[in-house]
Amino acid sequence: GAVVSQHPSWVICKSGTSVKIECRSLDFQATTMFWYRQFPKQSLMLMATSNEGSKATYEQGVEKDKFLINHASLTLSTLTVTSAHPEDSSFYICSARDATSGPRKFFGPGTRLTVL
Amino acid sequence: AQSVAQPEDQVNVAEGNPLTVKCTYSVSGNPYLFWYVQYPNRGLQFLLKYITGDNLVKGSYGFEAEFNKSQTSFHLKKPSALVSDSALYFCAVSLPFSNDYKLSFGAGTTVTVRA
Repeated sequence: GAVVSQHPSWVICKSGTSVKIECRSLDFQATTMFWYRQFPKQSLMLMATSNEGSKATYEQGVEKDKFLINHASLTLSTLTVTSAHPEDSSFYICSARDATSGPRKFFGPGTRLTVL
Repeated sequence: AQSVAQPEDQVNVAEGNPLTVKCTYSVSGNPYLFWYVQYPNRGLQFLLKYITGDNLVKGSYGFEAEFNKSQTSFHLKKPSALVSDSALYFCAVSLPFSNDYKLSFGAGTTVTVRA
């Protein structure tokens, strides 16, 4: 099946710094990518949807200036957490779909962000 | 708006016994329904989906789910659970042809299978 990777798998950073998380579709062209946030033992909350070459659509309550999403190519989307604070510590998961996969999405393995 | 409910936070079963994880949905229109499994510190793995057709859907690792439109349910089942099935299970729903098939997830059910 289609494979989605994320890098890094985990990151620790100091408060106030910015962190970039990459999401790549390895064997298909991801026309749409989704970014989720998951707190411990909780469900996935959709943060934003991005289509290649377009600005991301953010969910209500998600700060677009804090969580910068770029989907510059059909195989890569990035999420940059700007001026990170401890409350941004979470598990971030991306998913992707192509034009032929219909409603099915392929999920990355997730990135654990810890802000000290 | 679409929503998914997983009424049980936890399900505990003995290995070899049947496993059921419940899911109900609330959407207008005909939904697409999914089950995913998540192991600790990992992403989601797809188990199965219902789009249309036969109400009984068979998926990965011996799991199956039955779509019941009248009860708006999509319960996940496995006839004989394994210890390795212990994980966090998510039910999800999306509407066809809308918002890139945006998914709404249930809160998740933690399954523990004891040896």
